[in-house]
Amino acid sequence: QVQLQESGPGLVKPSQTLSLTCTVSGGSISSKGYYWSWIRQHPGKGLEWIGYIYYSGSTYYKPSLKSRTTMSVDTSKNQFSLRLTSVTAADTAVYYCARLADPRKLDYWGQGTLVTVSS
Amino acid sequence: DIQMTQSPSSLSASVGDRVTITCRASQTISTYLNWYQQKPGKAPKLLIYAASSLQSGVPSRFSGSGSGTDFTLTISSLQPEDFATYYCQQTYNTPFTFGQGTKLDIK
Repeated sequence: QVQLQESGPGLVKPSQTLSLTCTVSGGSISSKGYYWSWIRQHPGKGLEWIGYIYYSGSTYYKPSLKSRTTMSVDTSKNQFSLRLTSVTAADTAVYYCARLADPRKLDYWGQGTLVTVSS
Repeated sequence: DIQMTQSPSSLSASVGDRVTITCRASQTISTYLNWYQQKPGKAPKLLIYAASSLQSGVPSRFSGSGSGTDFTLTISSLQPEDFATYYCQQTYNTPFTFGQGTKLDIK
């Protein structure tokens, strides 16, 4: 059974960088055909897909967030990460990591982690 | 971006009811449509993928249909554990986008 777990600071100051890591267990992040994704949910709101990374390092970012987003993967630790720069209060959200499997379904999700942007 | 519109936004129903939620895409998405269930404080859970395929482990009272721009999620006989918020998601084109959600609560 694949499991994902987000980790990182729960509080980030405005203009600083949000950094989160997702640890995958029960399966290899290097398995072909899986894209490792980040999704966020603003408090009381709907879901927003941020982007994904493949084990090879290729990425796709949502255009409106692209200039501030970097994703990376560490296959030796079975982890992938999200960095979001120059954060504002509008980036306060629960951040989820998830696995995108064929045919393009998010079949496993982490429990989510709340990140609050505040001074 | 492809816009996904769900209706209704909220719905009250009783245990045993048959419920249908609709999702409409702003352009054709073939059958690249997924449905998720989310309970308060929890991560979304995949129910239906590719418009009509039931994810492993999901009860058969959940079903999906549609193609092109119009899709439905049906719960044939509501159970107490089904009261939650439901989201559709298109994965036809990036950026993948979600509907605004349908909150299903107890009448």
